[in-house]
Amino acid sequence: QSVLTQPSSVSGAPGQRVTISCNGSSSNIGAGYDVHWYQQLPGTAPKLLIYVNKNRPSGVPARFSGSKSGTSAALAITGLQVEDEADYYCQSYDSGLSASVFGSGTMVTVL
Amino acid sequence: QVQLQESGPGLVTPSETLSLTCTVSGYSIKNDNYWAWIRQSPGKGLEWIASVYHSGRRAYHPSLTSRISISVDTSKNLFSLNLTSVTAADTAVYFCARTLGLVINYFDYWGQGTLVTVSS
Repeated sequence: QSVLTQPSSVSGAPGQRVTISCNGSSSNIGAGYDVHWYQQLPGTAPKLLIYVNKNRPSGVPARFSGSKSGTSAALAITGLQVEDEADYYCQSYDSGLSASVFGSGTMVTVL
Repeated sequence: QVQLQESGPGLVTPSETLSLTCTVSGYSIKNDNYWAWIRQSPGKGLEWIASVYHSGRRAYHPSLTSRISISVDTSKNLFSLNLTSVTAADTAVYFCARTLGLVINYFDYWGQGTLVTVSS
């Protein structure tokens, strides 16, 4: 069981906005550790999507945005596109485990 | 452009040692970055397992400390992973990646991954 909890799946129609939550605790997100997000297309390696809570690497579309508050973080996709259909993972550090940890993952389906 | 490529046997016998290598190209492994191994069990999520700096400074996932070792070869621009006494639970796709911190930081470049199956 991951210490970072994500919904197993979210879905939306093309053009809609979807949000993926990443719920942690006082030993990870709530302790102030940064949250990062990855997109994993089927059969490929994860790709860094958001780093340090809200920053997008070069080449990542502006429709992806990240936020963090308290013991949780969120990834929003505005103007959902067919090519956004993938698995998404949050990642942070947990001081109780002394380890970098990933969320349980969320499958995004474009209806 | 930074590129990482994993290599190693795709099949390992239970109780034996899993050995993987990650060759880095387009970037010196001696630059100010850390290098990591992450695995993904079939149909499961991602798990960070180890990180190393070119100086040899390293960190391991606490659940694997007794079985794991990571090393770096600066002359060949690669780093390696050894996992001893493997079981079926170690069957996974193993990714190597670049990171900016030993444990606390994100992974910005990834290899394509290599599937390792533990089976007799």
